[in-house]
Amino acid sequence: DVKVTQSSRYLVKRTGEKVFLECVQDMDHENMFWYRQDPGLGLRLIYFSYDVKMKEKGDIPEGYSVSREKKERFSLILESASTNQTSMYLCASTSGQGSEQYFGPGTRLTVT
Amino acid sequence: GQNIDQPTEMTATEGAIVQINCTYQTSGFNGLFWYQQHAGEAPTFLSYNVLDGLEEKGRFSSFLSRSKGYSYLLLKELQMKDSASYLCAVRVSSGGSYIPTFGRGTSLIVHP
Repeated sequence: DVKVTQSSRYLVKRTGEKVFLECVQDMDHENMFWYRQDPGLGLRLIYFSYDVKMKEKGDIPEGYSVSREKKERFSLILESASTNQTSMYLCASTSGQGSEQYFGPGTRLTVT
Repeated sequence: GQNIDQPTEMTATEGAIVQINCTYQTSGFNGLFWYQQHAGEAPTFLSYNVLDGLEEKGRFSSFLSRSKGYSYLLLKELQMKDSASYLCAVRVSSGGSYIPTFGRGTSLIVHP
């Protein structure tokens, strides 16, 4: 079974803090994605990566950065957390053939 | 950009059939996915269509018409556990990458 894991299920941070969300997949997938999910807005793509050290902006990259130093790990970084970044963050991966996405369990981040 | 529309909410009776529609306007179309997401959980893959026609998988079927920019997910013999959000996602090819864009999801409520 494909497994995508995320470092935390719940996280509470203060405004201005630097926040790291980690995602690891064990199926040697080339493509990895970070989404945030908010009520009424659905899943919105923040960043994606199609190879190690490669990254592309999604629809809402402002306030975020990413890092992909190893194929299995894709990190989302909030340089200076703000209250409007309170959300559910979902990581996903797919193979190079662009198959279905496998999602991690999500991290519910609250910024106070 | 991509524009994906699906109803916000639907209700149905246990044992009945329900059809969830998804319309899209996009360039570089490369397939359409349906995912199921129970409250508090990650989305899980249901179906994939890249050619016109109907794909059947047990109680669930998915249909695609590329010329009309239209898909539907058909759920038969509804069960209470089918109460969930159903996400339509359109994949586009862009610069060698495959980028999925999600609709806002349809919340399905199944009642006895």
